Order: sequence, then structure tokens, then C-alpha cells
Amino acid sequence: GDSVTQMEGPVTLSEEAFLTINCTYTATGYPSLFWYVQYPGEGLQLLLKATKADDKGSNKGFEATYRKETTSFHLEKGSVQVSDSAVYFCALSDQGFNKFYFGSGTKLNVKP
Amino acid sequence: DAGITQSPRHKVTETGTPVTLRCHQTENHRYMYWYRQDPGHGLRLIHYSYGVKDTDKGEVSDGYSVSRSKTEDFLLTLESATSSQTSVYFCAIKGTGPEQYFGPGTRLTVT
Repeated sequence: GDSVTQMEGPVTLSEEAFLTINCTYTATGYPSLFWYVQYPGEGLQLLLKATKADDKGSNKGFEATYRKETTSFHLEKGSVQVSDSAVYFCALSDQGFNKFYFGSGTKLNVKP
Repeated sequence: DAGITQSPRHKVTETGTPVTLRCHQTENHRYMYWYRQDPGHGLRLIHYSYGVKDTDKGEVSDGYSVSRSKTEDFLLTLESATSSQTSVYFCAIKGTGPEQYFGPGTRLTVT
């Protein structure tokens, strides 16, 4: 069945460091891929998405490229801020867009 | 903001009691979902609905039932709560695109 695997955390970085959070997926057909962010005590917010191979999703300085050949959708940011501290979830939707599958989440701590 | 509210936001209940959580949306979306979030597991789908009175099971549906009698409301019921159902529950809707939008969550503690 469809599934998502993302790197375990926590990830601790200093402010202005480069961020990579790895995400790989298993899916039949052509899923859409997403990154969500969750701040403490809140629900999940859509950060970015990509709906087909080689698409790059971007938002608020974060980027991720849909790589079908490596079944990956790694999240990157060139210079993290303390305010980026949160839990990040990689997810895919099945080809019918009716069901989502989430990774287990990666907690990011950014220190000043 | 996709106009999703959940109630209650926090609840403490005893083992064996019934519990109903409510999800309300204001934008007439067809698809609604219930997830639970537990450490190390991400979000796992409990049930979802694809229209009024149309529902289907997710991967962790045992011990849960749902109902959708109106487009705007999707109810999740724990018929007899157990400690293993202590979790944070999120409702979500699917918009016009492939993405889902989430409510603020309900923290449920079963003692």
C-alpha cells in the first residue's frame, strides 16, 4: 500500500543554517505530495505541494522537488529562523485524491 | 483558514463512557476526514466521508463510528472509550484541489 517515510528527529540547527528533511514515498500511480507544518498546540498547515513529477513546491523560503526516479520529496530551506521551529510532516494523496498518507513527522528546533 | 471548527477542544473522560467529537465546516466541502495523532505515528486515518450518509473506514477504525447527516457536520463517536484512545483528534476537509485542510484538534484523555 501507499506509505511515506521521513527522517526521524529531532533536528536541531542554529539560526541561518541550511535545512534538509528527507522524505521518501511508496505509491501506485501518480500521487500528489505535500509538506505540512504543525506549531505547538495547533493543527496542521499546508506548507507546499507538488502534483506531478519534477514539480517544485515552494513557500516561505521552503522548497521541495517531486522526484519520481528516487521516489523522494525532500524539504529544504537555505536559512532557517527560530520561528521555523515546529513539526514537519510529509504526506501523499492517492491518485484519486481521496486519502492521505502521512509520515511520522520531524521535529525541528532552531536555536538563536 | 478553511472554516473548520472542532468541539470540544479538550475532554477528559472515564474508561467505558461514550464520547462524541464534532467537526463543523462552513464551506460545503464534500470530503471530510477524522484522524488521530500519536507520537511516532504521524496522523492515521480513522474514517472519512464522501457525502451525506456516505462514509468509509480508514486504517484505525476499530472502536470508532461516524455519522454525517448534514454536509457541514461530521461526528466521531467512541462507543466505549478506552485508554488506548487517548490521543489528539483532527478533522480535515478536502478542498477543490488535492490538498486537505485541518481543524485545530481535540485533545482527548481517557482515564
